Amino acid sequence: EDKVVQSPLSLVVHEGDTVTLNCSYEVTNFRSLLWYKQEKKAPTFLFMLTSSGIEKKSGRLSSILDKKELFSILNITATQTGDSAVYLCAPGGDNNDMRFGAGTRLTVKP
Amino acid sequence: KAGVTQTPRYLIKTRGQQVTLSCSPISGHRSVSWYQQTPGQGLQFLFEYFSETQRNKGNFPGRFSGRQFSNSRSEMNVSTLELGDSALYLCASSLGTSGGGYTQYFGPGTRLTVL
Repeated sequence: EDKVVQSPLSLVVHEGDTVTLNCSYEVTNFRSLLWYKQEKKAPTFLFMLTSSGIEKKSGRLSSILDKKELFSILNITATQTGDSAVYLCAPGGDNNDMRFGAGTRLTVKP
Repeated sequence: KAGVTQTPRYLIKTRGQQVTLSCSPISGHRSVSWYQQTPGQGLQFLFEYFSETQRNKGNFPGRFSGRQFSNSRSEMNVSTLELGDSALYLCASSLGTSGGGYTQYFGPGTRLTVL
């Protein structure tokens, strides 16, 4: 059965801290893994990862995939209060759907 | 380019009623997926449509159904509503089927409350 586990489930940090969010997965015929940020409503897309070891960066956010060990991490450096959100990872396989993890709720305090 | 739109944004129904939610994908996108999000269960996949065909279905009862039209717009129907159906229903569109590595873009969601 496909499985997605995100850790930690909840994280509270102060502005300026660096955080690392984890996503481990077991997905049949894995094709790609997506990271999303969800604040109040719908998730917004962050990264799509398909190849191992290639870091994707966008400003203070970066992410990398390890297809051998079946996990991905999302790093946020110099966190700001606006980074407070639930971060979701979603690996997808050949069965045409995305499996979402429970998410990591990040709270950044001023 | 306009994003994914969903209507209505908010809906209040009573148990036993049925409801139809609508999703218009990004122009050019042929795949539409539906998700249910609740505080207890998180984000759960309902079904995906591609070129008017249901490609895959999540683990939901038959009360949940959907369809896609030739212009890629999709509707989701829930019959005989139950209290537990109260949730945020999200629609996501992508160029191709989600398992093929295409990025999904989400709409704002429809908040359904069942009383």
